[in-house]
Amino acid sequence: QSVLTQPPSVSAAPGQKVTISCSGSSSNIGNNYVSWYQQLPGTAPKLLIYDNNKRPSGIPDRFSGSKSGTSATLGITGLQTGDEADYYCGTWDSSLGAGVFGGGTKLTVL
Amino acid sequence: EVQLVESGGGLVQPGGSLRLSCAASGFTFSSFWMHWVRQAPGKGLDYVSRINSDGTITQYAGSVKGRFTISRDNAKSAVYLEMNSLRADDTAVYYCAKDLHILGFDYWGQGALVTVSS
Repeated sequence: QSVLTQPPSVSAAPGQKVTISCSGSSSNIGNNYVSWYQQLPGTAPKLLIYDNNKRPSGIPDRFSGSKSGTSATLGITGLQTGDEADYYCGTWDSSLGAGVFGGGTKLTVL
Repeated sequence: EVQLVESGGGLVQPGGSLRLSCAASGFTFSSFWMHWVRQAPGKGLDYVSRINSDGTITQYAGSVKGRFTISRDNAKSAVYLEMNSLRADDTAVYYCAKDLHILGFDYWGQGALVTVSS
């Protein structure tokens, strides 16, 4: 059971928009920055969003992040088939004294 | 170009030990926190440990505390994970990762597979 809760799967058509939620508590999301990662099969995760809503260089603005209270959301617009992947949220948990991740969300672009 | 290259993975019996290494290049290694994250086969990401830039602060997930030790050698641009009393549920691909800012890992290694089995 993951500390952060994500939906197991989401789906949408090419060109559409999708959001992925990440729910936590005051000890993690509520008081720490959230990051989002994309993992394609057989590869290492790739950073999409850090500090709740910042994009590293090279990440298109189709990807966005937001945070409100103890929840965070990843948004992806203009879906492409190449966006099919597993997506993970992550943050620090001040009570556990360790990093925590969500269980991952599998995105299917229909 | 930033590169992180893990080594030292392999098959080990339950109760055994293994030391993973992560060789870094392409950035000022001594300026950044470094982390280990693992992923069991077919499962999600699982946080393991972190170490600050000069090696004076280390933190661990509860599942590995007391069994794993993270360290670094800034002269060699390397971070290590010493794993003792290994259990079957430690079987995973272990990634080292560079911290961009507060658990935003902007670079990851290719991963090292650790299999704990008799």
